[in-house]
Amino acid sequence: AQSVTQLGSHVSVSEGALVLLRCNYSSSVPPYLFWYVQYPNQGLQLLLKYTSAATLVKGINGFEAEFKKSETSFHLTKPSAHMSDAAEYFCAVSDRRNNNDMRFGAGTRLTVKP
Amino acid sequence: NAGVTQTPKFQVLKTGQSMTLQCAQDMNHNSMYWYRQDPGMGLRLIYYSASEGTTDKGEVPNGYNVSRLNKREFSLRLESAAPSQTSVYFCASRVLRSKRDNEQFFGPGTRLTVL
Repeated sequence: AQSVTQLGSHVSVSEGALVLLRCNYSSSVPPYLFWYVQYPNQGLQLLLKYTSAATLVKGINGFEAEFKKSETSFHLTKPSAHMSDAAEYFCAVSDRRNNNDMRFGAGTRLTVKP
Repeated sequence: NAGVTQTPKFQVLKTGQSMTLQCAQDMNHNSMYWYRQDPGMGLRLIYYSASEGTTDKGEVPNGYNVSRLNKREFSLRLESAAPSQTSVYFCASRVLRSKRDNEQFFGPGTRLTVL
C-alpha cells in the first residue's frame, strides 16, 4: 500500500521567512499527492494537489509544491510566512487504481513567530 | 451550502456503550469517508462508501460499522466502545466526475472520549 512520511512534526519559522514542509511518498504506481491544512478545531482543507499534469503545483494562500519522482518527494513551500499560516499540515497520497484509499502523513505543525 | 456536517461535535461514552456518529453532505457527492485522527498518526481511513449502496473497509475498520443511508448520509456506529476508540472522527465526501477529481471535503469533526 502507498504511504507518506512527513519529516519534522514541528516546524517554526519567523514571519516573512521561507516555509518548507517535507513529504516523501512510497507508491508502487504513479500516485496522486495532496497537501491539506488544518486550523485548530476545524476539518481539513485542500491546499493543492498533484494529478500528473504539471510537476510544480500552485495552491491557495501562496503555497506551492513540486513533485519529484526521482526523489519520491512532494515538499510544500511558501516564500514568505504569514502569522495566519500557523496550522497543521498533512501530506496525503492516493493510489490511482483505488483513489478512495487515501493515506495521510502524521502531520507537521507550523508555528510562525512574529 | 452547508458542505459536510457532523453530529454530535463532542461525546463522552463509557466503555461498552454504543453510539452512532452522523454525517451528511449537501454537495451531491458520490463518495463518502470516515477517518479517525490521533496525535502523531495523521488521519486513518476507517470505512468508505464509493457510491450509494456500497461500503468498503479502510485501514482501521475493526470495532466500527457503517451505513450509507442515502446519497447524502453516511453514519458510523460503535457497537461497544473501547478507550482505544477515543479520537477525533472526521467525515469527508468527494464528487466522482473523474479519477482526477479526487479532492475530499471534510466536516468539522466529532471529538469522542471513551472512559
